[in-house]
Amino acid sequence: GQQVMQIPQYQHVQEGEDFTTYCNSSTTLSNIQWYKQRPGGHPVFLIQLVKSGEVKKQKRLTFQFGEAKKNSSLHITATQTTDVGTYFCAGPLDSGYSTLTFGKGTMLLVSP
Amino acid sequence: NAGVTQTPKFQVLKTGQSMTLQCAQDMNHEYMSWYRQDPGMGLRLIHYSVGAGITDQGEVPNGYNVSRSTTEDFPLRLLSAAPSQTSVYFCASSYSWGGSGYEQYFGPGTRLTVT
Repeated sequence: GQQVMQIPQYQHVQEGEDFTTYCNSSTTLSNIQWYKQRPGGHPVFLIQLVKSGEVKKQKRLTFQFGEAKKNSSLHITATQTTDVGTYFCAGPLDSGYSTLTFGKGTMLLVSP
Repeated sequence: NAGVTQTPKFQVLKTGQSMTLQCAQDMNHEYMSWYRQDPGMGLRLIHYSVGAGITDQGEVPNGYNVSRSTTEDFPLRLLSAAPSQTSVYFCASSYSWGGSGYEQYFGPGTRLTVT
């Protein structure tokens, strides 16, 4: 079945260091979404990428969608303690846009 | 708007008991889903609905039932609880924007323990 894989599973950085998480799909995706989940919280939508090669920025966060639309990345520049949480990528299930298959997430820990 | 609400927040069940997890949204979203989250497993889709009266199975539907009689409500029923169903359950709703994707709005979750 369709799979979305994320690496690394876990990363611990010092505040001010950069962070990148990578997402790979076994199939071509029509779009990819990114979510953030704070410890003890629920996933919150960050962004959606649709176009091949698309790059979007949100302050210190940069999101990329690969040319083949099978991979994506999230890069955080100069991490802050507020960036702590688990970052998930998600793509539409084969059954349609209304359902998503999620990667297992990358847990980010930032030490001050 | 309250967004997506879930009750209860915490629940402990004994093996074999049944219960219903409640989910409601007040955003008039057409699409609703149930996910379970287990450590290291990410979010896995249990059941989903594309509108009132229409439901379908996700990746891990066994042991769960759903129904969607109104746009607002999407309850998840555990028929006979098993320890393997110990998890955090999230309900989510979504709508289509621009025809290209469905941003999911998640509820706060229900933490279920089955002993």
